[in-house]
Amino acid sequence: DTGVSQDPRHKITKRGQNVTFRCDPISEHNRLYWYRQTLGQGPEFLTYFQNEAQLEKSRLLSDRFSAERPKGSFSTLEIQRTEQGDSAMYLCASSFGLGPGFFGPGTRLTVL
Amino acid sequence: QQQVKQSPQSLIVQKGGIPIINCAYENTAFDYFPWYQQFPGKGPALLIAIRPDVSEKKEGRFTISFNKSAKQFSLHIMDSQPGDSATYFCAASKSGTSYGKLTFGQGTILTVHP
Repeated sequence: DTGVSQDPRHKITKRGQNVTFRCDPISEHNRLYWYRQTLGQGPEFLTYFQNEAQLEKSRLLSDRFSAERPKGSFSTLEIQRTEQGDSAMYLCASSFGLGPGFFGPGTRLTVL
Repeated sequence: QQQVKQSPQSLIVQKGGIPIINCAYENTAFDYFPWYQQFPGKGPALLIAIRPDVSEKKEGRFTISFNKSAKQFSLHIMDSQPGDSATYFCAASKSGTSYGKLTFGQGTILTVHP
């Protein structure tokens, strides 16, 4: 595996449902990032981990969003009680130092 | 104060031309300025980055120029090729634990005609 992988690639859900996304970073990378991107905009920071520790979380995130990175490997991002405004591409990235270098292909979420 | 403003929104050049994309930031605490390239259906990929202790950095055909006093930085693509057609994003962050918290510009859609 030579890149960041994300699963699923697409998710369609109904408003009010919970969804969970998974990110597998490049294996030797200790930092893992979650960003959100809407059409025609730059990515927006959500949260980031160094190993297992969640170092920063955007104040834009409501309590409906939570992320984990158990054992400092893969990470999950959960959105509870989804709203139509949550529809976006959710991007994961990893790096070894500094900021995100390699982004995955993203999970496109559509909330109906 | 966290904004990064990018221009132009779109840019069309002929093969061999030198497209220039500009970004301006407000937060003087920013000290890491990367550029990302994104192709349709893909996540962004880090292209080149600069710290404010230098005014210019080159990697291959890509050059970042940095003007600390004006709080501006720009990306130049030398001898542009049709394969460079993509969306380009500038970004900025603060050092320390905030390196991962990038503030992105709005993006520039670059089209290079053969």
